[in-house]
Amino acid sequence: NAGVMQNPRHLVRRRGQEARLRCSPMKGHSHVYWYRQLPEEGLKFMVYLQKENIIDESGMPKERFSAEFPKEGPSILRIQQVVRGDSAAYFCASSLDRRETQYFGPGTRLLVL
Amino acid sequence: AQRVTQPEKLLSVFKGAPVELKCNYSYSGSPELFWYVQYSRQRLQLLLRHISRESIKGFTADLNKGETSFHLKKPFAQEEDSAMYYCALRGGSEKLVFGKGTKLTVNP
Repeated sequence: NAGVMQNPRHLVRRRGQEARLRCSPMKGHSHVYWYRQLPEEGLKFMVYLQKENIIDESGMPKERFSAEFPKEGPSILRIQQVVRGDSAAYFCASSLDRRETQYFGPGTRLLVL
Repeated sequence: AQRVTQPEKLLSVFKGAPVELKCNYSYSGSPELFWYVQYSRQRLQLLLRHISRESIKGFTADLNKGETSFHLKKPFAQEEDSAMYYCALRGGSEKLVFGKGTKLTVNP
């Protein structure tokens, strides 16, 4: 099992551009979580998805951010019109079932110039 | 509100010395507590969870509901224990609430 995969590992965007972050969960896992880590901070929950459904988006900023987990393919975290404050490490985790152990990916480091 | 506090940003010990990484939490219900570790250039991985009551790599952690703490301990630190350690809480939902982390350095 290759573990949770995230790509790209590093992403550079200019202010106003769009950022798309991808997460492929572990094989057999249908629960995906996105977390964001700002410099010198802990990981902060953003959104929890199951296949084709958003279960909990209480940590998502109200504007510019969206997430999906389609029936086929990876989960996508999309940030529109990026600003410098979006620069952070974005981690994806997956689990076999709700409240099971969350396994983390290596993260995507987003830098907004 | 759910909150996890790790009061030490940095912790440095010598090899063979005991080590304790502190974690305090705030949650009104019955939480699940976890310790995650991130070694240099590796992904975050689960070290242990309180419901398992197990010892991993010599580390143990006991949930103290009276003191709302879940400190991580190891009697004899090894150089390979050097890493970032994150305490996390899960309450009524599936999301994990993390502390800011403690960077442990074990000196030879």
